[in-house]
Amino acid sequence: GEDVEQSLFLSVREGDSSVINCTYTDSSSTYLYWYKQEPGAGLQLLTYIFSNMDMKQDQRLTVLLNKKDKHLSLRIADTQTGDSAIYFCADNQAGTALIFGKGTTLSVSS
Amino acid sequence: DSGVTQTPKHLITATGQRVTLRCSPRSGDLSVYWYQQSLDQGLQFLIHYYNGEERAKGNILERFSAQQFPDLHSELNLSSLELGDSALYFCASSTGQPGETQYFGPGTRLLVL
Repeated sequence: GEDVEQSLFLSVREGDSSVINCTYTDSSSTYLYWYKQEPGAGLQLLTYIFSNMDMKQDQRLTVLLNKKDKHLSLRIADTQTGDSAIYFCADNQAGTALIFGKGTTLSVSS
Repeated sequence: DSGVTQTPKHLITATGQRVTLRCSPRSGDLSVYWYQQSLDQGLQFLIHYYNGEERAKGNILERFSAQQFPDLHSELNLSSLELGDSALYFCASSTGQPGETQYFGPGTRLLVL
């Protein structure tokens, strides 16, 4: 079945850039999403990209999509301690269910 | 605030019991999705309803069922509960158009003792 893979941990220093990577298997994906989950909280939509785009920028967030390699990345510029959270990559399967990766825990140290 | 509400926030119950989780979608959204988040399985899709009708099923156990009512709120019923059902249950809503962004509620944390 369809799968979404992410690395589990990323540790950066405050002010650095963070890059979180994701690979997916469904070649018919139309939208790919990044969600953020803070401790004890729900899932917050950060950004999404349509499959016919290569890049999308939204303030400190940059999403890169390599459709040939089925690789998605999220870059957070000038990472702050408040960015510490779990980041989930998600693929929209057949326009209905979201298939999530296991999540990448981002730890930001000052 | 996503506009999706879920009640209760926390639920503690015993094995063998039955519970009902409730979700109210964002105003105007016709689709409701249920997801389960557990440490071992991660975030998994359970079921999708659109305007009162079931549209898709994921890894939902037979002990679990859901429905969406005419006012578009949805309930997830979990019965014969087992320890392994302890998890965070999320509801999400969208307009219902294919590929439309799903907005998540704050979740219900279920603990089965």
